[in-house]
Amino acid sequence: GAVVSQHPSRVICKSGTSVKIECRSLDFQATTMFWYRQFPKQSLMLMATSNEGSKATYEQGVEKDKFLINHASLTLSTLTVTSAHPEDSSFYICSAVRDGHTDTQYFGPGTRLTVL
Amino acid sequence: AQKITQTQPGMFVQEKEAVTLDCTYDTSDQSYGLFWYKQPSSGEMIFLIYQGSYDEQNATEGRYSLNFQKARKSANLVISASQLGDSAMYFCAMREGPDNYGQNFVFGPGTRLSVLP
Repeated sequence: GAVVSQHPSRVICKSGTSVKIECRSLDFQATTMFWYRQFPKQSLMLMATSNEGSKATYEQGVEKDKFLINHASLTLSTLTVTSAHPEDSSFYICSAVRDGHTDTQYFGPGTRLTVL
Repeated sequence: AQKITQTQPGMFVQEKEAVTLDCTYDTSDQSYGLFWYKQPSSGEMIFLIYQGSYDEQNATEGRYSLNFQKARKSANLVISASQLGDSAMYFCAMREGPDNYGQNFVFGPGTRLSVLP
């Protein structure tokens, strides 16, 4: 149990286009999900906290208009990178907090974004 | 200030031997949780072990154990009988505050472990 999926696993796009990444909790409900970003050989950095039915909370320095987060249901959060640029190329990982089991997070497998 | 410090960027260990990965943390909260994750080259984060700040016993999960020294604010991961498949990045993480929604994790910089045959 407690499986989180991400789609797509890998995406290559041209500069200026928008890319949507989905994060799904497959076998549990998740009121809260998190989006992280990881540059090569670096640690995970929290971008935003996504709460079902409300606006996401962004970390300092993260542009909310560039990284749009929608948590429309208890099993799905989406991250849209708008007008992507090469510096947005990174590994994006989501995690989900299982409702009723708030002591840990379950991570998705990550999405590698490459912007040409 | 860094909340999670992992002082070993890289570690080598011989197969079948034990290895300790260091982690120190900084928090003023009384209630917090400490986690270790493994990240192989595929990128997924694999949960290994959890220690709550009020847990008196050190956590153990199979070949993994967490050496929790609260006064020193350290939470070292011990891997016994290393296997080649243990080669990966290892991240120490902390959740500050009690078990509540919206408590994000803070990750350390990671330690790359290489197991030698």
